[in-house]
Amino acid sequence: DVKVTQSSRYLVKRTGEKVFLECVQDMDHENMFWYRQDPGLGLRLIYFSYDVKMKEKGDIPEGYSVSREKKERFSLILESASTNQTSMYLCASSPTWGETQYFGPGTRLLVL
Amino acid sequence: ILNVEQSPQSLHVQEGDSTNFTCSFPSSNFYALHWYRWETAKSPEALFVMTLNGDEKKKGRISATLNTKEGYSYLYIKGSQPEDSATYLCAFSESSGDKLTFGTGTRLAVRP
Repeated sequence: DVKVTQSSRYLVKRTGEKVFLECVQDMDHENMFWYRQDPGLGLRLIYFSYDVKMKEKGDIPEGYSVSREKKERFSLILESASTNQTSMYLCASSPTWGETQYFGPGTRLLVL
Repeated sequence: ILNVEQSPQSLHVQEGDSTNFTCSFPSSNFYALHWYRWETAKSPEALFVMTLNGDEKKKGRISATLNTKEGYSYLYIKGSQPEDSATYLCAFSESSGDKLTFGTGTRLAVRP
């Protein structure tokens, strides 16, 4: 079974803090993704990566950066957290283009 | 940004009822249509990936159809059970790559 894990289920941070969300997959997948989910908006793609050290902007990259130093790990970074980044963050991975994405359990982030 | 629409937004049915939802997507540049089930406090779980016009997929009591020419997919649940209660997401990808554009989901609640 594919397993995608995220470092925290719940996180509370203060405005201006630097926040790291970690994601690890154990199936040697090429592609990894970060989404956020907000009520009424569905899942929106923040960033994705198709190889180590490679990254591409998704639909809403502003205020975020990412890091992929190893194939199994994809980190989402909020350089200076703001209240409008309060959301559910989901990580996913897929073996290659067009195939099923496997999701982690999500991190619910609250920025005060 | 592509527009993927799902209807209805939410649905309440009685145990044993059959139900169906709709996913509408752009009919040009089609690559694949994905269906996911997302139960509360769990990871979104892949149900189907469909790529060919006229595709029909089945998994137990759940089935899906695809019409790429007119840009829609239906998900059917036969004899709904309380454990089917979840949000059902569809996601569309273009021929250009693996980015998925998600709909906002249909939230299903099955009353015992």
